[in-house]
Amino acid sequence: SYELTQPPSMSVSPGQTARITCSGDELPKQYVYWYQQRPGQAPLLLIYKDSERPSGIPERFSGSRSGTTVTLTISGVQAEDEADFYCQSADSGGTYVVFGGGTKLTVL
Amino acid sequence: QVQLQESGPGLVKPSETLSLVCTVSSGSITNYYWSWIRQPAGKELEWIGRIYINGNINYNPSLKNRVTLSLDTSRNQVSLKLSAVTAADTATYFCARDLARLGWYYFDYWGQGALVTVSS
Repeated sequence: SYELTQPPSMSVSPGQTARITCSGDELPKQYVYWYQQRPGQAPLLLIYKDSERPSGIPERFSGSRSGTTVTLTISGVQAEDEADFYCQSADSGGTYVVFGGGTKLTVL
Repeated sequence: QVQLQESGPGLVKPSETLSLVCTVSSGSITNYYWSWIRQPAGKELEWIGRIYINGNINYNPSLKNRVTLSLDTSRNQVSLKLSAVTAADTATYFCARDLARLGWYYFDYWGQGALVTVSS
């Protein structure tokens, strides 16, 4: 089955840069999307089509891709960024959606 | 602004059928795909399936045999039924607008989620 792999957790200090990776063998065949989920809330779309930001998402959130790995970069991390982050993609035919296991970002 | 609201019983007995409804406000459900996603407490998101007005339905293979998705255009609602539930189906269930019609497989609007517990 198609799987996406993320680091389970990451810690950064305020003002630093956090880079959360997502890897999967079939990533080159489809775009990747990123969501932020705060405790008790629904996921919020952060990045779509690898690197596009929806309106209202701060510029400090960015996405990039290199081969079978995509990266969510949070520049100048703020305390409010502490949350779980999920990558998501689909199989080559778009008939199956898969989420990564999530990365818990702690702001020290 | 599109709003989605899940509703349904919060407690379901083992072996019975879980039924949830997602009511969509601001916009017709006929223009998009609609997905259901679930999340056990403290665990990752799991996609359940998606449905479109033309009858196209995609399911997570791991749940396909137990899931039924449907649309009620008169009420602008999307429904989920999951049969033969067990404790492993205890989760928060989200409905979400799915951009699959445009060839982009992601979710731009989400409901707040409905917690369903499977217990006798």
